[in-house]
Amino acid sequence: NAGVTQTPKFRVLKTGQSMTLLCAQDMNHEYMYWYRQDPGMGLRLIHYSVGEGTTAKGEVPDGYNVSRLKKQNFLLGLESAAPSQTSVYFCASSYVVNSPLHFGNGTRLTVT
Amino acid sequence: AQSVTQPDIHITVSEGASLELRCNYSYGATPYLFWYVQSPGQGLQLLLKYFSGDTLVQGIKGFEAEFKRSQSSFNLRKPSVHWSDAAEYFCAVGLTDSWGKLQFGAGTQVVVTP
Repeated sequence: NAGVTQTPKFRVLKTGQSMTLLCAQDMNHEYMYWYRQDPGMGLRLIHYSVGEGTTAKGEVPDGYNVSRLKKQNFLLGLESAAPSQTSVYFCASSYVVNSPLHFGNGTRLTVT
Repeated sequence: AQSVTQPDIHITVSEGASLELRCNYSYGATPYLFWYVQSPGQGLQLLLKYFSGDTLVQGIKGFEAEFKRSQSSFNLRKPSVHWSDAAEYFCAVGLTDSWGKLQFGAGTQVVVTP
């Protein structure tokens, strides 16, 4: 039982480059989330999805886009990376509203 | 504004000693409350949660937390820490109408000394 799987684990980008982070869950969860974690700031919600084909903005959505074409996958895209997007990104999923989140192991992104 | 505060950024505790991590929230209604733990290089793992009912909740790894409505607090405790408890701990708060969007505190780093 893999739970929540994030790929890649590490990535280095140059300013202006684009990339997509992939999150896959095998628990049939409806809700999926992308967070970023920065020192001293906890986790901040970027975007989330309440079901296949739906997405919504979180607390810090600027510079990111997401898609949920399949229930099990939630993609996070950076169209033009900036150094301010250097962070650790976590994907999470949950079964219903306010049920516990299941987290992936994170993607460490560095933008130079 | 709604907020979650973990006043202690860093705590050092001796192995075998007790541990208490503080969490305060500022919301209009009683929220759902969670504590998560993050080991180095890992994602977050749920320790325990409070939705309603008994205000003292038990979690995994010997942790417990007490919800105090009058103090808007949800402090995490463990009677006797083990070296493996060294990690970062996050308090998180959710609201019934928030579509599962949790707000996380900034975290408390726990160091365990021999």
